[in-house]
Amino acid sequence: AQSVTQLGSHVSVSEGALVLLRCNYSSSVPPYLFWYVQYPNQGLQLLLKYTSAATLVKGINGFEAEFKKSETSFHLTKPSAHMSDAAEYFCAVSAPDQGGKLIFGQGTELSVKP
Amino acid sequence: GAVVSQHPSWVICKSGTSVKIECRSLDFQATTMFWYRQFPKQSLMLMATSNEGSKATYEQGVEKDKFLINHASLTLSTLTVTSAHPEDSSFYICSARRLFGTGLYNEQFFGPGTRLTVL
Repeated sequence: AQSVTQLGSHVSVSEGALVLLRCNYSSSVPPYLFWYVQYPNQGLQLLLKYTSAATLVKGINGFEAEFKKSETSFHLTKPSAHMSDAAEYFCAVSAPDQGGKLIFGQGTELSVKP
Repeated sequence: GAVVSQHPSWVICKSGTSVKIECRSLDFQATTMFWYRQFPKQSLMLMATSNEGSKATYEQGVEKDKFLINHASLTLSTLTVTSAHPEDSSFYICSARRLFGTGLYNEQFFGPGTRLTVL
């Protein structure tokens, strides 16, 4: 079985500061891992994904994440926050043998202060 | 590419009526579509997996007779909320899994969501 835990339901940073959103996963098989962003009343947009290639994954809008098997983590970072980054972020895990089913974390709301 | 649409984007209905929500993959074929439900300030909860030409697979605790899913073609899945009640009010999001594509096999593309309000 797969599961995802996002540490911190709400993170607040100042504009220009480092963004760090934490995600830990549990999986009995090598996982696929994803980060999605959701703006109010909208669907989800894929930021980046890890599918067993490079452990450091670069995504859109300057975000990146590093897969660390020893720590079962897939934390999302961005060097410098923009006001437009304020949104809800979801980490998700999928097992390749489960037909693409995604299991989502609880979500982290990112606020960016001017 | 890989655009998924939902219709309607929002709907208000009276208690006891049925509501149909459409999910379409506009520029790719999707043998599998997923339906999620999201309550305010909460995560997405997978309701069911919809496979083209076969019966949907429902997650534990989801009433299959209340949430009817039909996946009649490779680009269209529908979710019908039957005899809707206020507790069914929620944000419903669909996603579509791409049929083929190097590196995209396990990627889901999400629709914009449908806000259902049952009075």
